[in-house]
Amino acid sequence: AQSVTQLGSHVSVSEGALVLLRCNYSSSVPPYLFWYVQYPNQGLQLLLKYTTGATLVKGINGFEAEFKKSETSFHLTKPSAHMSDAAEYFCAVSVRENTDKLIFGTGTRLQVFP
Amino acid sequence: DGGITQSPKYLFRKEGQNVTLSCEQNLNHDAMYWYRQDPGQGLRLIYYSQIVNDFQKGDIAEGYSVSREKKESFPLTVTSAQKNPTAFYLCATSTSGGTDTQYFGPGTRLTVL
Repeated sequence: AQSVTQLGSHVSVSEGALVLLRCNYSSSVPPYLFWYVQYPNQGLQLLLKYTTGATLVKGINGFEAEFKKSETSFHLTKPSAHMSDAAEYFCAVSVRENTDKLIFGTGTRLQVFP
Repeated sequence: DGGITQSPKYLFRKEGQNVTLSCEQNLNHDAMYWYRQDPGQGLRLIYYSQIVNDFQKGDIAEGYSVSREKKESFPLTVTSAQKNPTAFYLCATSTSGGTDTQYFGPGTRLTVL
């Protein structure tokens, strides 16, 4: 069965610093991987997704993630944090053989300090 | 204006009462989903539907019920059998389910007093 682990429930960075949010997945077949962002009391918004092909995926708001099969990872990065990036971030996995649902990680709350 | 609407945004109910949460979409998506979100637990799937008049249980369906009589609508009823109903409820849709991207509504925060 597939699963997702997000390391670190809270991450704090200074404005302008690198953002790194970690996600590791478990899947016996090639996965589809997603990152979503959630602002307080709102729904989730898709940041980016990996399906097949290029392993470095660029998303909205300057975020990107790299699929590393050998490490079963899909970490989210942004070179320079902005105050508006403060939110909760969720990694999710879906596999083609289990075509009915996404499996979400428990989320990482990003704080950005001035 | 296309999108997913959930109503109400905040809902308060007394213990033992059933309550129905609304989810409507005009994206013409076939698949619809209900998730429950609790602090530190991520999103957990309650029910999903890939076609009208058909739906499947997710991971935490006990104490919940749904219907899918129209493509646009997927209401969720939280029954008195749900032991801890206070949570944030999110509805999502996708074009045909599975590995397709899911798009989320703004959510309903249910508080049971």
